[in-house]
Amino acid sequence: QLQLQESGPGLVKPSETLSLTCTVSGDSISSSNKYWGWIRQPPGKGLEWIGTIYNSGSTYYNPSLKSRVTISVDTSKNHFSLKLNSVTAADTAVYYCASDINIAWFYFWGQGALVTVSS
Amino acid sequence: EIVLTQSPGTLSFSPGERATLSCRASQSVSSTYLAWYQQRPGQAPRLVIYAASSRAAGIPDRFSGSGSGTDFTLTISRLEPEDFAVYYCQYYGSSPMLTFGGGTKVEIK
Repeated sequence: QLQLQESGPGLVKPSETLSLTCTVSGDSISSSNKYWGWIRQPPGKGLEWIGTIYNSGSTYYNPSLKSRVTISVDTSKNHFSLKLNSVTAADTAVYYCASDINIAWFYFWGQGALVTVSS
Repeated sequence: EIVLTQSPGTLSFSPGERATLSCRASQSVSSTYLAWYQQRPGQAPRLVIYAASSRAAGIPDRFSGSGSGTDFTLTISRLEPEDFAVYYCQYYGSSPMLTFGGGTKVEIK
């Protein structure tokens, strides 16, 4: 069974870069034809898709975040990563990593990681 | 850009009742790419329905999805205590782009 686990700093200063990693277990990123994505949820609010990467390296980003986001895969470490630069308080959220064989939805989810943007 | 509207924001039911949740798209969409998620407090979302009417693995058959065009529905035939949660619809559109509705909270009356 595929399992996902987010990790990274829980506190980031304004204008700096938020960096999170999603470690994959139960499957190999390099050999599985899956989509790997990031979704976030500000406290008390709804879900927002950030972006998705496919094994081939193809990336798809939310247009509203595209200029600040990079998603990448590290097959040697069996994880994928999120970088969001120039963060503000509005980027404070629980960040989830997720995966599926289908690009249109996500069956597998990590437990989420709260990232607070504050000086 | 597709906008998904879920209203009302909160619905109140007693256990054992039937719940019908609405998701309306700002323009006609393909039912192939419409999904529903359940989110319990403090937990990650859980895929319930995909392709508008197919139940995800492990989802009880009291959950069903339907709809086409701009109007989609998630029905829970008999509410169990663990079904009280927030439900989100989600659409995969061109670009590509994933869009979520604002969510409907199903609470105990």
